[in-house]
Amino acid sequence: EAEVAQSPRYKITEKSQAVAFWCDPISGHATLYWYRQILGQGPELLVQFQDESVVDDSQLPKDRFSAERLKGVDSTLKIQPAELGDSAMYLCASSLGLRNIQFFGPGTRLTVL
Amino acid sequence: SQELEQSPQSLIVQEGKNLTINCTSSKTLYGLYWYKQKYGEGLIFLMMLQKGGEEKSHEKITAKLDEKKQQSSLHITASQPRHAGIYLCGADRGYSTLTFGKGTMLLVSP
Repeated sequence: EAEVAQSPRYKITEKSQAVAFWCDPISGHATLYWYRQILGQGPELLVQFQDESVVDDSQLPKDRFSAERLKGVDSTLKIQPAELGDSAMYLCASSLGLRNIQFFGPGTRLTVL
Repeated sequence: SQELEQSPQSLIVQEGKNLTINCTSSKTLYGLYWYKQKYGEGLIFLMMLQKGGEEKSHEKITAKLDEKKQQSSLHITASQPRHAGIYLCGADRGYSTLTFGKGTMLLVSP
């Protein structure tokens, strides 16, 4: 069964360091999403791609976060420098297209010390 | 206030009992998604509802959408330990992204 892959599953870093997360969507899915989920909350969208183009990054803290999907397939989310408040679960999801069912990966749990 | 309110926040039921989780939106719903999440893991898609009055079932889980009330309910019949987890509703606002509620944590005691 096709799945969204994410790595690493866990990441511990010190504040001011750089971190990067990788996501490989389900094959053929044109739309890719990055969400952040703080403990006890629902996921909140950070950025949405349609193929290689950014559709929505209005909630992405652009002073420290960046995201790319260069070939319209896999994607990388980077934080530089990491802050204590960035500790959260980072979830990647993909869908066939806009407004189709989103399928989520297992997430990357980030802890910033 | 939250766009999507889920109730209850948490729930403990005895195995074999029925339960209902509610999701109420303060804004217009174009669709409503239900997901389940085990602690520390990703979200698993359960069901999608798009039309007022729509009802869908899968195994022992039934979800309904009341478009007028802008509300959805998720009902589990004869709960089992495998049903334990966090249930999240996500609202389609008509522009392709989803807005999620805070989730309802379900524990099923033997």
